[in-house]
Amino acid sequence: QSVLTQPPSVSGAPGQRVTISCTGSSSNIGANYDVHWYQQLPGAAPKVLIYGDTNRLSGVPDRFSGSRSGTSASLAITGLQAEDEADYYCQSYDNSLTDWVFGGGTKLTVL
Amino acid sequence: QVQLQQSGPGLVKPSQTLSLTCTISGDSVSSNSAAWTWIRQSPSRGLEWLGRTYYRSEWYDNYGVSVKSRITIKADTSKNQFSLDLISVTPEDTAVYYCGREVTDAYYFDSWGQGTLVTVSS
Repeated sequence: QSVLTQPPSVSGAPGQRVTISCTGSSSNIGANYDVHWYQQLPGAAPKVLIYGDTNRLSGVPDRFSGSRSGTSASLAITGLQAEDEADYYCQSYDNSLTDWVFGGGTKLTVL
Repeated sequence: QVQLQQSGPGLVKPSQTLSLTCTISGDSVSSNSAAWTWIRQSPSRGLEWLGRTYYRSEWYDNYGVSVKSRITIKADTSKNQFSLDLISVTPEDTAVYYCGREVTDAYYFDSWGQGTLVTVSS
């Protein structure tokens, strides 16, 4: 059971927009700790896409964007492409556990 | 461009010690702006942060609550490496283990090793 909750799967057709939610609590996202987003392609290590809630890492297309509100955060992907098919994870810090924590991951399928 | 290269065995017997090493190129293990981290991933536990070591005039380490009593992470400045030792392993410790670099003051992981599947089995 992950500390941050994500939907197990989302899907969309090429060109569409999808969002992936990440729900936390008052000891992590709600305590104003930054949320970061990673993309993991099959057989590869996770790669950071978004850091500090909304900042895209250099080289990440502007089709990817992050936002947060209260105890939740979201990753939005517009103009879906086949290459976006991957697992996506959110990550933050939890001051109750004093650990860095991850979401359970969301599998994005491009139809 | 930071690169992290992991090494270590892929099979460990129950009750023994899991040991992995991560060799850094493109940065220094003694960097004042990074922390060196181990994370593991398994179908049952997902991504799990295990701990980190970092240098700020002296060496510090922090460990995850789930492994705190069993883990040691150490740096070797002569080889620009850091290592993971996890004692008394059980099949629950079977996972892909990643080393990584944490961007301190930003608290995310911007470089990862290639991953090592470690199976705990007799």
